[in-house]
Amino acid sequence: EAQVTQNPRYLITVTGKKLTVTCSQNMNHEYMSWYRQDPGLGLRQIYYSMNVEVTDKGDVPEGYKVSRKEKRNFPLILESPSPNQTSLYFCASRASGNYGYTFGSGTRLTVV
Amino acid sequence: DQQVKQNSPSLSVQEGRISILNCDYTNSMFDYFLWYKKYPAEGPTFLISISSIKDKNEDGRFTVFLNKSAKHLSLHIVPSQPGDSAVYFCAASVRLYNNNDMRFGAGTRLTVKP
Repeated sequence: EAQVTQNPRYLITVTGKKLTVTCSQNMNHEYMSWYRQDPGLGLRQIYYSMNVEVTDKGDVPEGYKVSRKEKRNFPLILESPSPNQTSLYFCASRASGNYGYTFGSGTRLTVV
Repeated sequence: DQQVKQNSPSLSVQEGRISILNCDYTNSMFDYFLWYKKYPAEGPTFLISISSIKDKNEDGRFTVFLNKSAKHLSLHIVPSQPGDSAVYFCAASVRLYNNNDMRFGAGTRLTVKP
């Protein structure tokens, strides 16, 4: 089944404790992206990647890092999480030339 | 700076009636528009799209209308069904640029009452 898989689905952590949210897609898509969803703000892009080793900032990159060492994986790294990063995170992928993203099921992160 | 705006946070309609969800955008460079549907505890799923060279695209019960001069698009669902109850996101992109290409609205929660 074609899908984008994120882990974990739920995570509660403390301020300053580094964490990684994993994302994997099995569709051989070139583009991958991370979004966060917050009430009243919709989905805002954090980082995106056009292919292996090619990443760039989205609208809200502060406090996040990403890497794209393999085509299928695009982990999101929070080096020192803060409470304002409490949010619902979505990973998404799409093929080059296709403008609709396929989204994962989301990761609900709470930073206390 | 929200380039894509959905000014109605919620909409409630009766089963069988028409649902109309609206979306406005400010960037005249946007040339491709999409609607996504999101159920609780799931990721958004693609619903329907429209290119700026068209003013209407239809797929079953779903029709998207684009008014470029007004920078406005709408999603019509006819007839509405209880299973359509979800949050709907409008998205817009500039196909010429592959980076940082898609902007989403804040979403409209549709409730279809039986």
